[in-house]
Amino acid sequence: AQSVSQHNHHVILSEAASLELGCNYSYGGTVNLFWYVQYPGQHLQLLLKYFSGDPLVKGIKGFEAEFIKSKFSFNLRKPSVQWSDTAEYFCAVHRDNAGNMLTFGGGTRLMVKP
Amino acid sequence: DAGITQSPRHKVTETGTPVTLRCHQTENHRYMYWYRQDPGHGLRLIHYSYGVKDTDKGEVSDGYSVSRSKTEDFLLTLESATSSQTSVYFCAISESRTANTEAFFGQGTRLTVV
Repeated sequence: AQSVSQHNHHVILSEAASLELGCNYSYGGTVNLFWYVQYPGQHLQLLLKYFSGDPLVKGIKGFEAEFIKSKFSFNLRKPSVQWSDTAEYFCAVHRDNAGNMLTFGGGTRLMVKP
Repeated sequence: DAGITQSPRHKVTETGTPVTLRCHQTENHRYMYWYRQDPGHGLRLIHYSYGVKDTDKGEVSDGYSVSRSKTEDFLLTLESATSSQTSVYFCAISESRTANTEAFFGQGTRLTVV
């Protein structure tokens, strides 16, 4: 079983709809959490990250994510999606005892219809 | 964008042949990584390097070897390509070992083994 789970594999939304993509991880201890985005034909780019402090993290392009430690979750949200948000989104976890390596979820492919 | 160049960008090869993918960086980052991306699996770490001539295995290292003779170059070799190694390969770099360091990704190499 994957240690980082993204339960939604494919999501289709209309423009202006709200978005929430789930991410759960199964590690105990200290973790650092990331969301990456991959636009069609491009490489992965960092959307946002959580290391410590305020569990509500704001990233680029209006995205935010909330770290809920008790639920081992780091869900990604955006109040109003745009067609240009069509992409694949990856949650990733860095564990404090795993060197500098990231473990990725399986990805969620988002399609936004104009 | 971080200065990461992967070559080739696309390759088709026959089963049983050796293949080498190259990752070149201009950022002088210490850490370099090779991931493969497959539908439903996200990105999985193949091998990584923490310095010249210092490498270690990742999650899916069987059938792959790596070499790093210079800071800027990290080579991934498929010793005898198999159809299961058809994938998109991403190189990544990061500056340090600490958990709060962002990883930057290359554009990817699409490899097809026929």
